[in-house]
Amino acid sequence: EAQVTQNPRYLITVTGKKLTVTCSQNMNHEYMSWYRQDPGLGLRQIYYSMNVEVTDKGDVPEGYKVSRKEKRNFPLILESPSPNQTSLYFCASSPAAGTPEQFFGPGTRLTVL
Amino acid sequence: AQSVTQLDSHVSVSEGTPVLLRCNYSSSYSPSLFWYVQHPNKGLQLLLKYTSAATLVKGINGFEAEFKKSETSFHLTKPSAHMSDAAEYFCVVSDRAGGFKTIFGAGTRLFVKA
Repeated sequence: EAQVTQNPRYLITVTGKKLTVTCSQNMNHEYMSWYRQDPGLGLRQIYYSMNVEVTDKGDVPEGYKVSRKEKRNFPLILESPSPNQTSLYFCASSPAAGTPEQFFGPGTRLTVL
Repeated sequence: AQSVTQLDSHVSVSEGTPVLLRCNYSSSYSPSLFWYVQHPNKGLQLLLKYTSAATLVKGINGFEAEFKKSETSFHLTKPSAHMSDAAEYFCVVSDRAGGFKTIFGAGTRLFVKA
């Protein structure tokens, strides 16, 4: 089944404890992206990747890192999480940049205490 | 710079009546425009997309949207609302000038009354 998977789906952590949220797609898509969703703000793009080893900042990259070493994986790293990063996070992929009809993962709900 | 404005944060309709969710965008080039739907505690699902072909775009579940360049609008409509349409709807823009960033509107929550 074609899908985008994220792990974990739910995470509660404490300020400053490094964490990684994994994202994987099995559709051979070139473009992958991370978003955070907050009430009243819609989804805001954190980082995106047009292909392996190519990443770029979205609108809200501060406090996040990403890497794209393989086509299928695009992990989101929070080196030192803070409470303002409590949010619902979505990973998405699409066949290529420029035609960003995106397929979304199920979401990861992160709480930073 | 790209931007998207969804003009209503909440819309309430009665079952069987028309739905209109409004979206205005700003884009330097010919944009790609999308509407996504998110049901409670679910992920996002693509409803329809505009990518410079026909200006009237038909999507799933009876929804459609019309791209009006002169008005920079991409409003979502449905002739007759169903209870199952109650969800949050997002208008989205992306174009080459934005470096393929994807910009979401803040969302419109649709309530459908029986």
